[in-house]
Parts: sequence; C-alpha cells; structure tokens
Amino acid sequence: AQSVTQPDIHITVSEGASLELRCNYSYGATPYLFWYVQSPGQGLQLLLKYFSGDTLVQGIKGFEAEFKRSQSSFNLRKPSVHWSDAAEYFCAVGYSSASKIIFGSGTRLSIRP
Amino acid sequence: DTGVSQDPRHKITKRGQNVTFRCDPISEHNRLYWYRQTLGQGPEFLTYFQNEAQLEKSRLLSDRFSAERPKGSFSTLEIQRTEQGDSAMYLCAILGGRVSGDTQYFGPGTRLTVL
Repeated sequence: AQSVTQPDIHITVSEGASLELRCNYSYGATPYLFWYVQSPGQGLQLLLKYFSGDTLVQGIKGFEAEFKRSQSSFNLRKPSVHWSDAAEYFCAVGYSSASKIIFGSGTRLSIRP
Repeated sequence: DTGVSQDPRHKITKRGQNVTFRCDPISEHNRLYWYRQTLGQGPEFLTYFQNEAQLEKSRLLSDRFSAERPKGSFSTLEIQRTEQGDSAMYLCAILGGRVSGDTQYFGPGTRLTVL
C-alpha cells in the first residue's frame, strides 16, 4: 500500500535561511509525487509535482524538490525563505496522475524574523 | 482561484442531524474527488467520480455517507446522523485546471463542526 512519511511535524527557520522539508514514500512502482502548501484559512495549493524525467523539479514560489528513487525520498527545498512561506506543507503520492492522492501528515513551517 | 467552489464554507450542526455539502467546478471536469482533513492531519481520500459514475470509495466512507454527481458537473456529499467524529474539513478537488490537466486542484473546503 502507498504511504507517505513526513518526519518533521514542525520546523522553524529564520527569514532568509535555506529550507529543506523531508518526505519519504512507500510505493512499489514509479510514484507520482506532489508537494502542496496550505496557509491558514486557505485551500491546498500545488507547489510542484514529479511524474517522470528530470529528477529535480522546479515549482512555484522558488521551491524545488528532488526525487531520489534509491532513498524513496522527495524532499522540498528553498534557498531563502520569506515570512510569507509560513504554512503547512504536505507531501503526497499517487499511482497515476488521475488516481487518488495519499497525503503525509504535514510539516508546519514557522519563520523566525 | 482553483476553479472549484464549495458551499457552505462553514457548517455547525448538532449530533444526529443530516448535513449536505456541495462542490461546484466552474467548468467541465471529468474527475471529481472528495477528501476529508481532520485537525493536524493531511487530507484523506473519500471517493471520486468519473463523470456521473462513482468509481472508488474509501473504507472511511461509512454507510452514513453518500456522494452524488448527478449530471457530471457539481457534486454533493451528504452525511446522515452526524457524529462528533465527523468534525473535519471536507475538500473537493477536480482533475485539471487552468494551468495543468493532470493535477488535482482543491476547493477551499467546508469546515464541519458537530456539537
């Protein structure tokens, strides 16, 4: 069965510092991987996705993620965070682009001024 | 704007009452999904439609829950005899949107509180 693990429940980084949010998945075949962001009172917004091809994918708002099959990971990175990046981040996996999505439990990001 | 509206945005009800939520994509989309998100957790899949046909239901969708998509456009999710454990955010998603046709785009959700 598919599953997603986000080992960090809450991370605090200083504004301007780099960020890496961890995500590990469990799936037998090549997964379809997603990162979504949810701000307080807002809906889920897609940051980026990986379906195939280049394992380093670029997303919106300056985020990127790298698919590492050998580590079953899809970590999210940003070189310099802004206060507006404070939100809940969800990693997710599907077995196709149209299938149901299995979400991780999320990582809450706080930004220190 | 993801092209999905949900109504109502908030619903407070007493235990044992029935509630119905509506999801409206602004344009035609073949696939429509329902998820539930409880506090501090990621969304969990409930069910999805391909046009009018309900193709998959999660075991989370007990017999008190029913979803419909009668004309392949809007969808409704009804919960009968609500329980306090039903308190959650109910999210609707469509496959495809203005930017990408192979991605699920989520509506703002309906927050249900069962007293």
